[in-house]
Amino acid sequence: GAGVSQSPSNKVTEKGKDVELRCDPISGHTALYWYRQRLGQGLEFLIYFQGNSAPDKSGLPSDRFSAERTGESVSTLTIQRTQQEDSAVYLCASSFRGGNYEQYFGPGTRLTVT
Amino acid sequence: QQQVKQSPQSLIVQKGGISIINCAYENTAFDYFPWYQQFPGKGPALLIAIRPDVSEKKEGRFTISFNKSAKQFSLHIMDSQPGDSATYFCAASPRSGAGSYQLTFGKGTKLSVIP
Repeated sequence: GAGVSQSPSNKVTEKGKDVELRCDPISGHTALYWYRQRLGQGLEFLIYFQGNSAPDKSGLPSDRFSAERTGESVSTLTIQRTQQEDSAVYLCASSFRGGNYEQYFGPGTRLTVT
Repeated sequence: QQQVKQSPQSLIVQKGGISIINCAYENTAFDYFPWYQQFPGKGPALLIAIRPDVSEKKEGRFTISFNKSAKQFSLHIMDSQPGDSATYFCAASPRSGAGSYQLTFGKGTKLSVIP
């Protein structure tokens, strides 16, 4: 079956512009996660959605970052007024449920802020 | 504060050799320890995971060893193959309750297996 898909695969933007990244989770997965992977670093948790519960936004690094999810489907991560330090690969993952269920990752969106 | 420390950063192993990657954690609430494999341009994929009620788990050529008292766990890849060349990440999360979905990752180990 189809895995987690993300778009765009690459995004180059100018400092100060807003960007929107999209994630399509695996059908039937109620939990969705966003992570950031900076060059040479591990993955940093950003935000978690589980069903219709309030999302856990504790990992968002600043108020320039926000994310939405429509029901148990598509999610978008928005970064406003991008800065050069926002350059990273943004990974989305989904799992059957929250908790320690296996997280399936998408291929990521590589964001470069010039 | 880095909660999961992974070493080495990079590793070169000859084909057929044993690759060993180590991780140490600080948070005693961590109770689930997965390892992920990531190829260039791809997202991480779960390789093997362990809970601390066992000291070792083996799946094919991959083995996790876990030392709860030392708060350390390691990945052993036996008979390493060139196709194993990838970046490996250890991770940890609480087993249940608040934050049980939130994986904390090590910084990764780039493994190169040379013929």
